[in-house]
Amino acid sequence: AQSVAQPEDQVNVAEGNPLTVKCTYSVSGNPYLFWYVQYPNRGLQFLLKYITGDNLVKGSYGFEAEFNKSQTSFHLKKPSALVSDSALYFCAVRDSPTGANNLFFGTGTRLTVIP
Amino acid sequence: KAGVTQTPRYLIKTRGQQVTLSCSPISGHRSVSWYQQTPGQGLQFLFEYFSETQRNKGNFPGRFSGRQFSNSRSEMNVSTLELGDSALYLCASSGTSGGNEQYFGPGTRLTVT
Repeated sequence: AQSVAQPEDQVNVAEGNPLTVKCTYSVSGNPYLFWYVQYPNRGLQFLLKYITGDNLVKGSYGFEAEFNKSQTSFHLKKPSALVSDSALYFCAVRDSPTGANNLFFGTGTRLTVIP
Repeated sequence: KAGVTQTPRYLIKTRGQQVTLSCSPISGHRSVSWYQQTPGQGLQFLFEYFSETQRNKGNFPGRFSGRQFSNSRSEMNVSTLELGDSALYLCASSGTSGGNEQYFGPGTRLTVT
């Protein structure tokens, strides 16, 4: 079974400070991991993914994520938060390629960047 | 490239009615997946179509069905609507199987009264 946990419903950070949004996962095989962001009344926008290779993945808008196999984590990070980063962030996982494209999403973390 | 488009964007239906939602994937993408997003259940996978075949299905009742056409456009149908079907329905397309990321449309907001 596949699952994703985002332990924090809400994260507040001051503008200019580093931010971290946490994600842990559980899969039976090798994980494919994704981060998406959702702005109000919008669909999900792809930020970054981990498939294989370097544990540090760089994505859109200055975001990066670190894959940690031993801790089964894939935390999203950004060195300096912007007010415009305020949004709902989802971590998602799918198992090794099976020919199917279904993602299992976490419950989401609402990030608020305070000016 | 144009993104994923979904129509209509907003829909209000009455209990017992049926509804059809449409999704046009990014040009060249053959995989289309559907998700339901609600405040209580979050984002849940409905089904995926690839080359006009349903390749995978989530844990939803048979009232939820879909299809894909030869041009990769997809439709989702919900019959005998219930109040609990009120949700944002998101469509996503991707190029191939494997690790390719999915690109989401803006969604269709369905309200069942």
